[in-house]
Amino acid sequence: KAGVTQTPRYLIKTRGQQVTLSCSPISGHRSVSWYQQTPGQGLQFLFEYFSETQRNKGNFPGRFSGRQFSNSRSEMNVSTLELGDSALYLCASSSGQPYGYTFGSGTRLTVV
Amino acid sequence: GESVGLHLPTLSVQEGDNSIINCAYSNSASDYFIWYKQESGKGPQFIIDIRSNMDKRQGQRVTVLLNKTVKHLSLQIAATQPGDSAVYFCAESPTGSGSRLTFGEGTQLTVNP
Repeated sequence: KAGVTQTPRYLIKTRGQQVTLSCSPISGHRSVSWYQQTPGQGLQFLFEYFSETQRNKGNFPGRFSGRQFSNSRSEMNVSTLELGDSALYLCASSSGQPYGYTFGSGTRLTVV
Repeated sequence: GESVGLHLPTLSVQEGDNSIINCAYSNSASDYFIWYKQESGKGPQFIIDIRSNMDKRQGQRVTVLLNKTVKHLSLQIAATQPGDSAVYFCAESPTGSGSRLTFGEGTQLTVNP
């Protein structure tokens, strides 16, 4: 079966711009979580959506937001981009519990 | 805050040797643990998991050991191969945290031919 699909794979944006990243979960998975990965901070949890509702939120500023659609696809948005937002953004899906948690390949965002 | 940590940032082994990657966690409420492997340019890939009611679980060439008394987790890879070269992360899930995982810092495993 198809895995978790993230688009686009690579993005280059300018400071101050905004960006939207997309994640399509494994079929049947209702939970989608987002993580930011940087060399300095490692993997950090952004938020989790389950059945279109945000269920968990990490310690990131309000510039980071997300949403989930009725088909479980999710998007995350970062507004007013800063250089420090350059990172690999990973999406993971599951049935709602951490078991069977599967990651996508990520979107590499570079802010210049 | 509480976090999952790894003891060594890098580990270098010879092909065919056994590898042991360690992880210490501090959240006593964690009841589920996962090991992930991440290769360059890819997302983390599930290796093996273990629940807190177990102390050992085996997979294909991999074994995870959980010591709740000292809050320690280890991943053992038997007969390490060059394809095992990657960064390995442990992750924990506290009870009631939904699908949220807390990750350790990662260990870069290098397998020398």
